[in-house]
Amino acid sequence: QVQLQESGPGLVKTSQTLSLTCSVSGASISSGGYFWSWIRQHPEKGLEWIGYISSSGYTSYNPSLKSRLTMSLDTSKSRFSVKLISVTAADTAVYFCARDFAGYCTSTTCYGGGLFDYWGPGAQVTVSS
Amino acid sequence: EIVLTQSPGTLSLSPGERATLSCRASQTVENSKLAWYQQKPGQAPRILIYAASSRATGIPDRFSGRGSGTGFSLIISNLEPEDFAVYFCQHYGDSPWTFGQGTKVEI
Repeated sequence: QVQLQESGPGLVKTSQTLSLTCSVSGASISSGGYFWSWIRQHPEKGLEWIGYISSSGYTSYNPSLKSRLTMSLDTSKSRFSVKLISVTAADTAVYFCARDFAGYCTSTTCYGGGLFDYWGPGAQVTVSS
Repeated sequence: EIVLTQSPGTLSLSPGERATLSCRASQTVENSKLAWYQQKPGQAPRILIYAASSRATGIPDRFSGRGSGTGFSLIISNLEPEDFAVYFCQHYGDSPWTFGQGTKVEI
């Protein structure tokens, strides 16, 4: 059974860096064919796709967040992470990690598929001064 | 970026009834790359439908999807008590992938 679990601080100060990790069990994050995404849910704005990282480390970010975002993969610990710098109250949300099962890679690049079959339970992150 | 608009915002129905949820896209969704998710309070979304009309693994056949281009719908026939939840549509064509704002199906 594939399981994902988010972890990280629940409270981040304004202008600081939000860091979250997703631990994956029941599946190898280094095996091809799967991509690993972050998605957040604002109370008022609904669901927002943040970005993904492929098993080979290829990344794609939502243009609205790209300038502040970094994702990474630690295959030895079966986890992937997200860092969002210069946070404001608008970054307050529940953050989900999820597995994308519909992506693929060519000889030169990778393309996420955007379909999510397994999700973590979500982590509430509040940004406040 | 594609904007998805769902209607109605809330649907009040009884068990056994049929629910029809609408999702309209601001531009054509390529190759009908449109999915539907169900979310219950305090839980992550669960995928129900992809490619506009294909049921995900383990999803009962009372859930069906249809549509193409800019207009899509999710139909839940014969509502079960566990179907009362919030439903989101999502496009997964060219990124950024976006979600609708959700339709709440309540008793």
